[in-house]
This record gives sequence, C-alpha cells and structure tokens, in this order.
Amino acid sequence: GNSVTQMEGPVTLSEEAFLTINCTYTATGYPSLFWYVQYPGEGLQLLLKATKADDKGSNKGFEATYRKETTSFHLEKGSVQVSDSAVYFCALRHRPEKTSYDKVIFGPGTSLSVIP
Amino acid sequence: NAGVTQTPKFRILKIGQSMTLQCTQDMNHNYMYWYRQDPGMGLKLIYYSVGAGITDKGEVPNGYNVSRSTTEDFPLRLELAAPSQTSVYFCASSYSSRATNEKLFFGSGTQLSVL
Repeated sequence: GNSVTQMEGPVTLSEEAFLTINCTYTATGYPSLFWYVQYPGEGLQLLLKATKADDKGSNKGFEATYRKETTSFHLEKGSVQVSDSAVYFCALRHRPEKTSYDKVIFGPGTSLSVIP
Repeated sequence: NAGVTQTPKFRILKIGQSMTLQCTQDMNHNYMYWYRQDPGMGLKLIYYSVGAGITDKGEVPNGYNVSRSTTEDFPLRLELAAPSQTSVYFCASSYSSRATNEKLFFGSGTQLSVL
C-alpha cells in the first residue's frame, strides 16, 4: 500500500548547521508531496509542497525537491535557527484508482532541536 | 480569519464518561479529518468526511463516532472513555480539487486525559 517513511529522530543540531530530514514514499500514480511543521503546543501547518516530478518547494529557507526516480522528498535547510525547533512531518496526497476521494498519508514525524 | 476551530482545548474525563470534541471550519471545505497524536508519535487518522452526510473510518476508529450534518461542523464523539484514549486530538480540513494538491488546515488541538 501507499506509505511515507521518514528518518528517525530526534535530531539535535547547533545553530547555523545544515539540516537534512529524509523522506521516501511509496505510491501509485502521481501524488502531491508536502512537508508540515508542528511547533510546540500547536497544530500542524504547511511548510512547503510540490505537486509533480522535479518540482522544488521552498519556504522560510527550507527546500525539498520531488524526486520521482528515487521516490524521495528530502527536506533541507542551509542554516538552522533555534526557532526551527519543531516536529516535521512528510506527507503525500493522492487519489486511489477507481475512487473519487483523496487520501492523505503522513510520515511518523521527525523531532528537531536546535541548540544555540 | 478563524480557520479550523476546536473546542475544548483541554479536558479530563473519568473512565466510562462520554464527551464530544467540537470542530468547525469557516472555509467551506468539503474534506474534514480527525487525527490523534500520542506522545512522541505521529498522527493516526480516526475518521474522515468528504462532504456533508458522508463519513468513513480511518486507521483507529474504535471507541469513536462522528457525524457530518453540515459542511462546517465535524464533531467527534467518545462514548465510553478509556485510558487508551488519552491523547491530543487534531481536527483538519481541506478543499479538494482534481489536482490533489490542496493542503490541510489544522486546528490547535484538544488535549484529553482519561483517568
């Protein structure tokens, strides 16, 4: 079935370090891919998205490229800040064959702590 | 802009009690979802709805019920609360287009403890 796999956390980085959070997916067809972020005590909010192969989503210094050949959507940031400490969720959205309803599948989340 | 509103924010229940978690959205979204998030864990889908009058089970529906009588509201009902239902509950909504590229909007969550 369709699924999303993320690297295990927690991840702890020093301020200004480079961040990569790996995300791979299994899906039929052409899903849209998303990164959501959850700050402490809050609900999830969209960080960025990409809707077709080779698209790059970007926001707040974060980037991710939709790689169909490797079924990946890795999240990167060149220089993290303390305020980036949060849980990051990779997700896909697709419409299964012979249905008219979308399905959204989330990865397990990766906790990031950035220390000064 | 209100977005997705959940109430209450916190609640403590005794085992066997019942309650309804309220969720309303003002964006005219057709899709609505209920998720639970256990400490250190990801999201698990409880129920979802693709429009008024249409609901379906997610991964972990046991012990919960939903209804969707209007586009705006999607309440989640716990009939006989159990300690295993201690969790943070999130409601979300989304517009749906043919392109499947619409994002989810989340509420701020309800922290529920069953003692």
